[in-house]
Amino acid sequence: QITLKESGPTLVKPTQTLTLTCTFSGFSLSTSGLGVGWIRQPPGKALEWVALIYWDDDKRYSPSLKSRLTITKDTSKNEVVVTMTNMDPVDTATYYCAHVDIEAAPLNYWGQGTLVTVSS
Amino acid sequence: DIVMTQSPDSLAVSLGERATISCKSNQTVLFSSNNKNYLAWYQQKPRQPPKVLIYWASTRESGVPDRFSGSGSGTDFTLTISSLQAEDVAVYYCQQYYSTPWTFGQGTKVEVK
Repeated sequence: QITLKESGPTLVKPTQTLTLTCTFSGFSLSTSGLGVGWIRQPPGKALEWVALIYWDDDKRYSPSLKSRLTITKDTSKNEVVVTMTNMDPVDTATYYCAHVDIEAAPLNYWGQGTLVTVSS
Repeated sequence: DIVMTQSPDSLAVSLGERATISCKSNQTVLFSSNNKNYLAWYQQKPRQPPKVLIYWASTRESGVPDRFSGSGSGTDFTLTISSLQAEDVAVYYCQQYYSTPWTFGQGTKVEVK
């Protein structure tokens, strides 16, 4: 059974750095073809893809956020961490992590999401 | 970036009737070497994460009721709910995974008339 869970601060101040951790079970990021993606959703708005890391450490970023993002994985801990610098109120959103399988549905298991509010 | 545009933004359908959502991309999402369309459909209910319904444009995810179907190729795609049930009230998103950045449509809200 595949599960994912996001953790991190619920409130950050403008200009601060956000660090979110996705802790997962039921699969290994050392398995060929797998990855973990991050997607965010501002309140009442559409989904926005943020970043993705594959089993082979290939990393992909949203071009609009790339200068502010870093994604890493710790295979031994079953964790993926994303950091976003210089947070702004427009970054207020629910942040989701999701399982990626290049041979199947792209985002077939999701965490419940964590709401991050950026406010002073 | 590949831009995904859904229509309509919202629709109201009577229970038991058909609901149809369109999704268009501004570039092809058909990969010629394997003849697969890198297009997925998601359902999102309030206060829940999205759930994948369809991938490869027309492959139903395990456990998804067969009233949900996907069709189309290249740049034009459709999600059809053949007989709307009360539990299908949700926002539906299409998403391309042909190339990064992966992109989503703006969403279509489906309600009961």
